Amino acid sequence: QKEVEQDPGPLSVPEGAIVSLNCTYSNSAFQYFMWYRQYSRKGPELLMYTYSSGNKEDGRFTAQVDKSSKYISLFIRDSQPSDSATYLCAMRLTGGGNKLTFGTGTQLKVEL
Amino acid sequence: SAVISQKPSRDICQRGTSLTIQCQVDSQVTMMFWYRQQPGQSLTLIATANQGSEATYESGFVIDKFPISRPNLTFSTLTVSNMSPEDSSIYLCSVVVDSGANVLTFGAGSRLTVL
Repeated sequence: QKEVEQDPGPLSVPEGAIVSLNCTYSNSAFQYFMWYRQYSRKGPELLMYTYSSGNKEDGRFTAQVDKSSKYISLFIRDSQPSDSATYLCAMRLTGGGNKLTFGTGTQLKVEL
Repeated sequence: SAVISQKPSRDICQRGTSLTIQCQVDSQVTMMFWYRQQPGQSLTLIATANQGSEATYESGFVIDKFPISRPNLTFSTLTVSNMSPEDSSIYLCSVVVDSGANVLTFGAGSRLTVL
């Protein structure tokens, strides 16, 4: 079993839809949770990160962490074609150095 | 945040050869990281490159296969040695940009295809 599981998609939605992207994980010691966006032929870029449980909002993006269920989500409101990319979740232990454990990524396509 | 430049952006290589990837950062950083992104797989940390000391390799990766140099605080190289088709992948350089959460920023990657 992988430490971090993420549905690879592809996920196709119409413009303006609310998108929900999710990851589950097995290591309850993970404390930092991140979402990266990766456009084709580009490196991943950080969207958001949260520490421990709770929600965090930034514009159209909301990150949610449920540590009791070992489940994290990224919501995208009013999705745009420019949101079409692969979304990677990543997580890290407290005191675990700099090593991030990534999901495989979910490919999202927002259609006009 | 730091800007990372990687060269080459892509290359096609023959089996048995070696290729060196360069990573240049626009600011001084203590640690640089090399990741591999294989098709359909998650990003996997190969090693951490520290200036002035040997690189630290993750389980499953060895120095003979992936030698790393870190001559100064803005530059690092990763060599993929004696390549086979299984080494076809994207190789990414990254640095820490938020020391609290250890958030990483990545270069655009080097896409290697081994024939």
